[in-house]
Amino acid sequence: NAGVTQTPKFQVLKTGQSMTLQCAQDMNHNSMYWYRQDPGMGLRLIYYSASEGTTDKGEVPNGYNVSRLNKREFSLRLESAAPSQTSVYFCASSEVPRSSYNEQFFGPGTRLTVL
Amino acid sequence: TQLLEQSPQFLSIQEGENLTVYCNSSSVFSSLQWYRQEPGEGPVLLVTVVTGGEVKKLKRLTFQFGDARKDSSLHITAAQPGDTGLYLCAGGGNTDKLIFGTGTRLQVFP
Repeated sequence: NAGVTQTPKFQVLKTGQSMTLQCAQDMNHNSMYWYRQDPGMGLRLIYYSASEGTTDKGEVPNGYNVSRLNKREFSLRLESAAPSQTSVYFCASSEVPRSSYNEQFFGPGTRLTVL
Repeated sequence: TQLLEQSPQFLSIQEGENLTVYCNSSSVFSSLQWYRQEPGEGPVLLVTVVTGGEVKKLKRLTFQFGDARKDSSLHITAAQPGDTGLYLCAGGGNTDKLIFGTGTRLQVFP
């Protein structure tokens, strides 16, 4: 099992360009999450999907959109990238609600630089 | 807004030393998780504690959940270079979301 996979691993964009970050999990988990990680700020939730067909905003959703394509895949789109979106992006999945404690499994991350 | 503050933010020690990392909040959590993240990788779950006062051991790592379920600590005995990484605590409540702490970056020198 690959667990949680993310593509691409690295990306450089110019201000105003768009891109989609892809995430897939093979653990049959219901819930999937997108976080960004910036120095000194831990992990901040951008969007999450508690089940196939549903998505909800997290702490920092502005400038992002998401799609839960099916149970396995959850994509994050930047429509018009800004330098403030330079960050490392992590996708995660969990068995919630089957697991009471929302123990999350993370992908390896996408390192995005916006010039 | 629920917040989790970790201290210290950075820790640099020699191999063989002991250390404690703290995770504090003014909010009550139903569970508290600890993750370790190595450079260039995603966080990996170490442990989940769910009962006030609970202590769990993972080899040289000891995790404790505060009696009031508002805080937690991670103690490492005889640290080794392989313990180097970013340690994150995360609090779970009655929602589908976790609240992550600000992180403690540990460097253990041989």
